[in-house]
Amino acid sequence: EPEVTQTPSHQVTQMGQEVILRCVPISNHLYFYWYRQILGQKVEFLVSFYNNEISEKSEIFDDQFSVERPDGSNFTLKIRSTKLEDSAMYFCASRRDRSNYGYTFGSGTRLTVV
Amino acid sequence: KQEVTQIPAALSVPEGENLVLNCSFTDSAIYNLQWFRQDPGKGLTSLLLIQSSQREQTSGRLNASLDKSSGRSTLYIAASQPGDSATYLCAVFTDKLIFGTGTRLQVFP
Repeated sequence: EPEVTQTPSHQVTQMGQEVILRCVPISNHLYFYWYRQILGQKVEFLVSFYNNEISEKSEIFDDQFSVERPDGSNFTLKIRSTKLEDSAMYFCASRRDRSNYGYTFGSGTRLTVV
Repeated sequence: KQEVTQIPAALSVPEGENLVLNCSFTDSAIYNLQWFRQDPGKGLTSLLLIQSSQREQTSGRLNASLDKSSGRSTLYIAASQPGDSATYLCAVFTDKLIFGTGTRLQVFP
């Protein structure tokens, strides 16, 4: 069964450093998403991406965050200057169609900011 | 603003019991509803997807129902097993997927 692949599985970074989280969505999917889950809390929407541009972003997704689909297969989330409160599990997801198909999630990247 | 709530927050049962997990949402204008399983520290595994026009979906020992007009869904787990221990998340899709608070299930032998 097709999978969404995320790398790395765990990343530790110093506060103030830039990090890039990588995702390879399912190849025939058109909609891409990043979500995050702070330990013990809800899974929260960050951003959606369609047709090479952001279609929606949450209040969390401020100027420190950016997304890119650089080569037609990878989908990346960059955090420019990490803060302690950015520590969370980050999930990438993709969907084939707007309404008729469910989301497929990757296994996540655990980001720890120290 | 769509709010998704799950009850109970936690459940601990002996093996073999039939279980009902509840999910409620405030805005009934949804395209579909998806149930996920999350093991501790792990990713989200899709269990069932119910389109807004459907009333229920079944997969093995799992059955999910949807009552869109009342803003409710239930996940029924038959003959629970220790391997079912996990957090179960419900999520509704409008223009994006909105997750519930989760039900943490423990099934003991």
